Amino acid sequence: EAGVTQSPTHLIKTRGQQATLRCSPISGHTSVYWYQQALGLGLQFLLWYDEGEERNRGNFPPRFSGRQFPNYSSELNVNALELEDSALYLCASSLGRSTEAFFGQGTRLTVV
Amino acid sequence: KQEVTQIPAALSVPEGENLVLNCSFTDSAIYNLQWFRQDPGKGLTSLLLIQSSQREQTSGRLNASLDKSSGRSTLYIAASQPGDSATYLCAVFNNNDMRFGAGTRLTVKP
Repeated sequence: EAGVTQSPTHLIKTRGQQATLRCSPISGHTSVYWYQQALGLGLQFLLWYDEGEERNRGNFPPRFSGRQFPNYSSELNVNALELEDSALYLCASSLGRSTEAFFGQGTRLTVV
Repeated sequence: KQEVTQIPAALSVPEGENLVLNCSFTDSAIYNLQWFRQDPGKGLTSLLLIQSSQREQTSGRLNASLDKSSGRSTLYIAASQPGDSATYLCAVFNNNDMRFGAGTRLTVKP
């Protein structure tokens, strides 16, 4: 069974551009979580989607947005990229909020 | 807002030692708690999930306990090995999200 897959693995963008990161959850999972992990820092909660709806978002500016598609895959969009957006972006999926979460390998975003 | 704290921030032990990692949280109204390990630059690997109604879970050399009333969880690693070297993270599931501690960076020396 395939795990959580994220694409691309690496992404290099110029300041001011937009980045789109993708996440495919484990088959049957309806919840998707997004996290930002800057170098040497902990996981900061970005967004939680469940059954196609945004359930909660963390303390990030509106230029961080996303969506969940009918097949429960998800996209994270970051507009007007800033240098400090450089980080590892991690996606996790679960059957629901009280079940085990599984993570993808992440997308390394570098803003130059 | 849920706050999750992990102590110690870093730990270095010789191979073969038993060790305990600590996780505390401020809001006891949790659904469950999950322990992960993360190798440098990689994603997170799930180790153990403890439901809010459970007191502990075991998997091989790992044992995790949960005391909801005091807002604490511990991860016990028996007979540590160099391959256990990684950052260990605990995550708490609330009504609205899954919050992480900053992690404990474990080094097991041969």
